[in-house]
Parts: sequence; structure tokens; C-alpha cells
Amino acid sequence: AQKVTQAQTEISVVEKEDVTLDCVYETRDTTYYLFWYKQPPSGELVFLIRRNSFDEQNEISGRYSWNFQKSTSSFNFTITASQVVDSAVYFCALSGLGQGAQKLVFGQGTRLTINP
Amino acid sequence: NAGVTQTPKFQVLKTGQSMTLQCAQDMNHEYMSWYRQDPGMGLRLIHYSVGAGITDQGEVPNGYNVSRSTTEDFPLRLLSAAPSQTSVYFCASRGRQNTEAFFGQGTRLTVV
Repeated sequence: AQKVTQAQTEISVVEKEDVTLDCVYETRDTTYYLFWYKQPPSGELVFLIRRNSFDEQNEISGRYSWNFQKSTSSFNFTITASQVVDSAVYFCALSGLGQGAQKLVFGQGTRLTINP
Repeated sequence: NAGVTQTPKFQVLKTGQSMTLQCAQDMNHEYMSWYRQDPGMGLRLIHYSVGAGITDQGEVPNGYNVSRSTTEDFPLRLLSAAPSQTSVYFCASRGRQNTEAFFGQGTRLTVV
């Protein structure tokens, strides 16, 4: 069975601090996808990144970076120089490939609050 | 393109009532899914479809029915609403090329 664990339920930091959101996953599949979604207070789900299991290269997009390590089954998300607009609930998710690709398994979510 | 459209956005039901949550996508995506979001539990898969005429159960299917008569539409039916079905419901679609899932705006359902 697939499982995603986000052990940090809530994180609160002061603006401009760096913050890392942890994500640990379990799967028996040899190939899979990992995702991060953002859910701002307005409630919609915003796609942030998709990572293939066969591509362990870390990725940076502006103030956002992702560290994928298959050896520890982790896909952590770091926000550098956080801003108040980063306040949201962040979800890590896992899916298989092919027809399994549309069955996303989500973690519990981490509520991030950035204080001015 | 409108993407994934869910209606209604808010709904209050009495226990035992039935209703249908509508979901439509205009991206010609083969895959569509319904999730429910409950506090502290993330999103959980209710039902999904890999194409018109094909549906299957997800993690929490009890109390819900679905059908997929067209590629565009994937309605979720509650036959006899229960307070345990109070939740936020999200519909998602995804293309066969394994792009990311696109989510609707969500439906906040309260069963009293």
C-alpha cells in the first residue's frame, strides 16, 4: 500500500525565515510520481511540482526548492526567505504511473503560517 | 478553458437527503477522480474513472455512487446523506500523459 506522511502538522515562522516542510512516503512501486500542492486560505489546490521517481535531481524555482532522496524515501520542500503570502496548507502526494497515475495518495498536510 | 468546474460551491443537506455534486472538465482528460478533505486527514480518494463508462472505488467509497457517461462529466451522488459525509469535496482530472492533476474549486458540504 502507498502512504505519505507529513509529520509536521503546523509550522509558524517569522517572515524572511527559511522553512522546510518534510514529506516521507512508502510505496512498493519501482516507478512513481511525487507532488506538492498548496492550498491557500481561499481553499483551491494549487499544483507546485511533480517529480518522477527516476529523476533524483533537486529542483529550484525562485524561493522554492525540493530535495528528493530515494534512499530515505523523502521529498522535502524548502521555502527560502518566506513571505506572508506563503501562508497556506501544503500537501505532499504520491501516485503510480499509467492508470494508477490518477489515484493520488495525500499526506495529512502541513499548515504553514508566516508571521509579519 | 475553464479547467475543472464543480457545482455547487456550498450545500447544506438534511440527514437522509440525496444530492449530486457536479464535475465537468473541458481538457479532454481521460482520468477523473473525486476526493474528500477532512481536517487532519489530507485528501482521500472516493471514486475514480479512467474513461467514459469505466469507474472504480477508491479508499472511501461507501455512501457514494458515480457514473461516467461522457469524457467531460463525472458526477458524485450521495443517495442518503449522513453527518459523516460533512466534508469538502474535490473533483480532479488528469491527462493520460501523466501530467499533474487539475482540481476543481471544491464543494463544501454540510449534513445536519
